[in-house]
Amino acid sequence: GDSVTQTEGLVTVTEGLPVKLNCTYQTTYLTIAFFWYVQYLNEAPQVLLRSSTDNKRTEHQGFHATLHKSSSSFHLQKSSAQLSDSALYYCALSQSGSFNKLTFGAGTRLAVCP
Amino acid sequence: EAGVTQSPRYAVLQEGQAVSFWCDPISGHDTLYWYQQPRDQGPQLLVYFRDEAVIDNSQLPSDRFSAVRPKGTNSTLKIQSAKQGDTATYLCASSRGHSSYEQYFGPGTRLTVL
Repeated sequence: GDSVTQTEGLVTVTEGLPVKLNCTYQTTYLTIAFFWYVQYLNEAPQVLLRSSTDNKRTEHQGFHATLHKSSSSFHLQKSSAQLSDSALYYCALSQSGSFNKLTFGAGTRLAVCP
Repeated sequence: EAGVTQSPRYAVLQEGQAVSFWCDPISGHDTLYWYQQPRDQGPQLLVYFRDEAVIDNSQLPSDRFSAVRPKGTNSTLKIQSAKQGDTATYLCASSRGHSSYEQYFGPGTRLTVL
C-alpha cells in the first residue's frame, strides 16, 4: 500500500529564519496528488498546498513545495518563518480516481520561537 | 458556506461503554470520510462513503465499529464496547466526488476511554 514518511517529529526554528519540513513517499500508482495539511491547536486539518505536477513549484501563504517524482519527495519550505506558523503539518497523498482516499504521514510539529 | 460539523466535541467513557459520533458534511458534498487520529499521529482513514454507499471500510474494526450514511448526507460512526486503545480524535471530512482532490475536515470529536 501507499506510505508517507515525515522524518522529523518536531522542528524548532527562530522567527525570520528559513524552515524545511521533509516528506517522502512510496506508492505503486502513477497518477497521484500530494498535499500539505496544517492543523492549528484545537482546529481541524486544512489544506495548505496541493500538487500533482512533477517538478512544478506550488506556493501558498509564503510556503512552497515542489513534487519530485524522481526522488519521491514533496518537501515543504518557507524562507522566513513566522510565529503564527507554529502548528502541526501533515504530508498526504491521494490516488487519482479513488474518491480522494488520503494517506497521511505522521506529522511534523513546527515550533517557531521569537 | 457552512463547514463540516461534528458532535459531540468531547466524550469520556469507561471501557465497555458505547458511543456515537455524528457528522454533517458540507452541503452538496457526496463523499464523506471518517478518520481516527491517535494522539501525536496523522489521521488514519477508517471508512468512506459515496452518497449512501460504503466505498471502503477495510480499516474499520468491524467487530466493534460501525458507520452509516443512510440518506447520503449526515453520517454516524458508532463504537460498541469501547477500549482504551480507541482513545483518539475522530475526524469527519467531506469532498465533492473526485473531481476535486480537496477534503474539508470537521473539528473532530476527542474521545477518551478510561
